[in-house]
Amino acid sequence: GQNIDQPTEMTATEGAIVQINCTYQTSGFNGLFWYQQHAGEAPTFLSYNVLDGLEEKGRFSSFLSRSKGYSYLLLKELQMKDSASYLCAVNAGNNRKLIWGLGTSLAVNP
Amino acid sequence: DTAVSQTPKYLVTQMGNDKSIKCEQNLGHDTMYWYKQDSKKFLKIMFSYNNKELIINETVPNRFSPKSPDKAHLNLHINSLELGDSAVYFCASSQRGLYEQYFGPGTRLTVT
Repeated sequence: GQNIDQPTEMTATEGAIVQINCTYQTSGFNGLFWYQQHAGEAPTFLSYNVLDGLEEKGRFSSFLSRSKGYSYLLLKELQMKDSASYLCAVNAGNNRKLIWGLGTSLAVNP
Repeated sequence: DTAVSQTPKYLVTQMGNDKSIKCEQNLGHDTMYWYKQDSKKFLKIMFSYNNKELIINETVPNRFSPKSPDKAHLNLHINSLELGDSAVYFCASSQRGLYEQYFGPGTRLTVT
């Protein structure tokens, strides 16, 4: 079957660094996406990894290891506005459908 | 400029009614999607169209019928609404179904 696992909730302090992990088991792999969703809003695209390694984009970085079926999203210099749900999604290569995780709800405290 | 737009933003209706949600994207993408997000926040794919052709049709009651008049528009019609249909419905688009998806603001449907 197709499965994506993420922690349900995480808490961190303003100014700190937090790492949100995602593991996946899918029949194929055509890339992994991270999205951010604030309460009451639509998901917005954060990052895309298709090759192993680290992709850095400002305060956010995303890492992928295809052999381990593992990715993480790293958020640096946390701000209160980073409190949101972070969704991991994998393009499993069939029918262009994304397999979505349940999301990690991140609370940033002052 | 709005990239992916949906109307209406809120929809409150009674059980048994029929309603439609409209979606338009001005990104020039060839693939559009409908998702349902329930109270548990899980994003469930319902349908996807590529250049007006249905390519994803998940296990969804046949009361739900999508329609794509052209590749910039994807509408969702729901017949005989039920309480369990209450959720937020998101439209999204992407290029060739391989790249990042851009989401509309969502339609919050409440069935009473």
